[in-house]
Amino acid sequence: GAVVSQHPSRVICKSGTSVKIECRSLDFQATTMFWYRQFPKQSLMLMATSNEGSKATYEQGVEKDKFLINHASLTLSTLTVTSAHPEDSSFYICSAIRGQGLTNYGYTFGSGTRLTVV
Amino acid sequence: AQSVTQLGSHVSVSEGALVLLRCNYSSSVPPYLFWYVQYPNQGLQLLLKYTSAATLVKGINGFEAEFKKSETSFHLTKPSAHMSDAAEYFCAVSGPNTGFQKLVFGTGTRLLVSP
Repeated sequence: GAVVSQHPSRVICKSGTSVKIECRSLDFQATTMFWYRQFPKQSLMLMATSNEGSKATYEQGVEKDKFLINHASLTLSTLTVTSAHPEDSSFYICSAIRGQGLTNYGYTFGSGTRLTVV
Repeated sequence: AQSVTQLGSHVSVSEGALVLLRCNYSSSVPPYLFWYVQYPNQGLQLLLKYTSAATLVKGINGFEAEFKKSETSFHLTKPSAHMSDAAEYFCAVSGPNTGFQKLVFGTGTRLLVSP
């Protein structure tokens, strides 16, 4: 089945530094990848949608200069949290889909990254 | 735009009892609907999905859901709860206005199973 690997699973960084999170589709080419943020005991909030080779589309209220997304290949998307601050601490989850529209073969989620900024 | 509402942030059942998690959707056009389960500090696992085929959808781990257009509902059920079912459950929707690309999640329901 479709597998998405997300790395790292946990990261602690100092305030003011940058952190990169990777999302890889291991056995399929992902036409589109999504990045979500989840606060404790809350739902997933979509941050941005990325398509290979083009700029990410950010949701309203998400700072594109703070949350840099790169989708350099059909199997890899990265989220970089720049100049991280404690309020950026959260659980970040990526998902990837094959196909488009009605031939969307489904969403596969990574296992998430717990970011703690101290 | 599509949205889903999950009634009840917490549902408690005894092991062996019926599980019923409620989800109502809002959409002006037929949506795709999903149920996902999330265990602590993990990503989401798909339980089942409705994509305009059969209205009764069977998923993994004995779960099923029925799409009821007249009630705009997509409730998740399981006849007999198991301790391992304790987790967070999310209902989600996607629709043609985003090319069935984006998922919009409900607020989640935490299922508690007692012995």
